[in-house]
Amino acid sequence: EVQLLESGGGLAQPGGSLRLSCEASGFTFSRYAMNWVRQAPGKGLEWVSGIAGGGSSTYYGDSVKGRFTISRDNSKNTVHLQMDSLSAEDTALYYCAKDVRFEARGAFDMWGQGTMVTVSS
Amino acid sequence: EIMLTQSPATLSLSPGERATLSCRASQSVSSYLAWYQQKPGQAPRLLIYDASNRATGIPARFSGGGSGTDFTLTISSLEPEDFAVYYCQQRKSWPLTFGGGTKVEMK
Repeated sequence: EVQLLESGGGLAQPGGSLRLSCEASGFTFSRYAMNWVRQAPGKGLEWVSGIAGGGSSTYYGDSVKGRFTISRDNSKNTVHLQMDSLSAEDTALYYCAKDVRFEARGAFDMWGQGTMVTVSS
Repeated sequence: EIMLTQSPATLSLSPGERATLSCRASQSVSSYLAWYQQKPGQAPRLLIYDASNRATGIPARFSGGGSGTDFTLTISSLEPEDFAVYYCQQRKSWPLTFGGGTKVEMK
């Protein structure tokens, strides 16, 4: 059974940092790109970042470019999202989502349950 | 950035009725469009990818169509479990973008 388990969410101060993690199981992790998608309370979905299966190619949404960094460890079936310079606009439920492709830029066929990030003083 | 506009924002229908949801792109996305369903308190679920291909395990009452800038998701006969919010998403170019969603509610 494919599972994605996010962790690392919580309360952060404006200007602060958090590191999210997503541990995958049930599929050959290195064969697929992985993504982060967020959803602010009561709002729609926003794609945040993606990383190709090999980890060499990374992609970011305009609102997080230069502040967030995605990475993966294929030996540990884990993808991370380092979030710096956080602002209130980053408050959201962050989902880890498996891509249908190796090279990213695909659809997302499996999702975790999300980890909540709240940015507030 | 490619903008996706979904309409209507809310669709009020009864079980057994046909639902037709629209997604319009600000520029051509070819057939690189997906549809997702999200129920309250749950993660989204992939329904359709590349405009018309049903994802694994998705019932045949869900179908997708369109290409270029205009797409539709059709639910041929609504089941009680289909009342949810539906999002479209394009993968033609970076950044990947989602539409604002259509809520299908019970009349």
